[in-house]
Amino acid sequence: EVQLVESGGGLVQPGGSLRLSCAASGFTFSNYAMMWVRQAPGKGLEWVSGISGSGGSTYNVDSVKGRFTISRDNSKNTLFLQMNSLRAEDTAVYYCAKLMGYASGTYLDYWGQGTLVTVSS
Amino acid sequence: DIQMTQSPSTLSASVGDRVTITCRASQSISDWLAWYQQKPGKAPNLLIYRASNLESGVPSRFGGSGSGTEFTLTISSLQPDDFATYYCQQYYSFWTFGRGTKVEVK
Repeated sequence: EVQLVESGGGLVQPGGSLRLSCAASGFTFSNYAMMWVRQAPGKGLEWVSGISGSGGSTYNVDSVKGRFTISRDNSKNTLFLQMNSLRAEDTAVYYCAKLMGYASGTYLDYWGQGTLVTVSS
Repeated sequence: DIQMTQSPSTLSASVGDRVTITCRASQSISDWLAWYQQKPGKAPNLLIYRASNLESGVPSRFGGSGSGTEFTLTISSLQPDDFATYYCQQYYSFWTFGRGTKVEVK
């Protein structure tokens, strides 16, 4: 059974940093691309960052370029999102999701339960 | 960037109704489209991929169609468990979600 468990969310001040983690199990982690998707309170879904199975290719939505960094440790089956220079508009539930393929160009077939990030003074 | 426009934003329906949700892409995406269902406080759940392929375990009352720029999600006979928000997503060029359609009780 595929499981994705996020952690690391919380309250942070504007300009601060936070690191999210996603522990994966139930599939060969290194064979699949992964993604972070966020959902602001009462709003829709927005993809944030994606990474290929090897970690050699990464993708970021324009609004987080230069601030967020996605990475993975295939030896520990774990996905990360380092978030720096956080803004109020980054407040959201952040979901870790598995892509169906090795790289971009595919859909999300499994999602974690999400972790809430709140940016506020 | 590819934009995805979903309609309607809210849909009021009764159990047993046939429900149709439309998603339009700002450029052709072939059939690289997925549909997800999300219930309050829960993560989204994959329903349909490649525009018309039903994900394993998803009830057959859900169906998807379309290609190019126009797509539809149809629920043939709405069940109590189907009241939720539905999102389309293109994966032709990176990823873009539609703004969602909330299916509520009429």
